[in-house]
Order: sequence, then structure tokens, then C-alpha cells
Amino acid sequence: QSALTQPASVSGSPGQSITISCTGTSSDFGRYNSVSWYQQHPGKAPKLMIYDVNNRPSGVSNRFSGSKSGNTASLTISGLQAEDEADYYCNSENSSGTRLFGGGTKVTVL
Amino acid sequence: QVQLQESGPGLVKPSETLSLTCTVSGGSISGYYWSWIRQPPGEGLEWIGYVYYTGSTNYNPSLKSRLTISVDTSKNQFSLNLSSVTAADTAVYYCARFTRYDSGKFYLDYWGQGTLVTVSS
Repeated sequence: QSALTQPASVSGSPGQSITISCTGTSSDFGRYNSVSWYQQHPGKAPKLMIYDVNNRPSGVSNRFSGSKSGNTASLTISGLQAEDEADYYCNSENSSGTRLFGGGTKVTVL
Repeated sequence: QVQLQESGPGLVKPSETLSLTCTVSGGSISGYYWSWIRQPPGEGLEWIGYVYYTGSTNYNPSLKSRLTISVDTSKNQFSLNLSSVTAADTAVYYCARFTRYDSGKFYLDYWGQGTLVTVSS
């Protein structure tokens, strides 16, 4: 099973908005809306930031939002802050009932 | 607050079996699905598989022939066994709770801190 495709890196200045894309195929994104996003700071465990494409768990800033169109999901971080600098991974269900992760995107705050 | 803690050898020899246990505290293992995820040094996350508290499982097809995930509800633990390991299995291994949300879909909401397992002679 192939990983979902994400850009290796995205950067932005404090206060700006950035968007991370995640591209799958019709057998994952196209069939399921179980898209989630995880944030991982260096040396730490991943943290759930977005589930069901565009929902935030309790405690996650509303600066984080998600969307999906066709076979591509996106995570947008608005009002970028230094603490947002981390790796971000998308995740989706696939046809075998397991889960696929994207390759990860490193977000740099300039 | 649910907490998960991985435990097991940090060094495994090639061709041997990697065995890890995840201990759940602050909540019951019953009623939930539980997952293993790994991350090779400097690389991305890879889904390994999950187990339901009843013992039913679902594995990553690329690991299925070498993989066993089991659960022990009496100890509030679940375990990972990966046989015939090679250097490619060197990674930080995370355990996580796989929770059903209102939509009926499942997400990883609580994670352990991760444990590095190195495969080397």
C-alpha cells in the first residue's frame, strides 16, 4: 500500500496562513471521509489535530482547519505561530480497513 | 486521563522476534481498539495494525506474515510481536488508542511516548 503524498516542507512567517496538501487515490480518499491530521514535535508522540476531514478535538486551536476535495485533503494553519513548527502527517482509511499515513510535511516558521 | 506506556527490549538481533508491550493506565482496555505505529529514525509514520479488546485484529498487509498483535484484558495490556526482523525494522514504536468517534470512524487519540527498537547484531 502506497503512502499518501504530502509536500516535504512548507514555510511561512508568523501571522501568515499556510496550507499542507495530502493526495491519495480513489481507493482511500475517494471512498472514505476518515481523514485526520497529526502534529509531531521533535522527540514527541504525534497529536491528533483534525479528524473527520474538518473537525478539531477539544483543546486544539481554531487556527487549525481541514478540508477535502476529491482525492486531496488539506490542512490550513492560520495566524502561524512559532509553536506550530513541527511535522504534520495526514492519515486515511483504505480499502483493506487499515490506515495509511502521508509521508509527512515539515512546517517551518520563518 | 488515559496513559499508555511501551516496554520491551531496545535491541533485537536480526532474524529474531521483536516483542513489545503497551500498558494502559487511567482507563480500561475493554471496549476499545488499540494500535501500533512505528517511525524509522528520520522518517515518517507507518501503521502496523490494531487489536480490539476481544482479540480481533487488522494488520498492515506489508507486515502481516510476520506480525501478531494480542491483548490481555486482565493486565490492561496489549502486545506486538514481529518475527524475522531486519535492520529495516529499526524504529520508534508507538502504541495508541484507536477510538470510535460520533461519525463512526476511528482515530488515534491517546499515544504512548514511544520506544526505540534497534535491530543489530
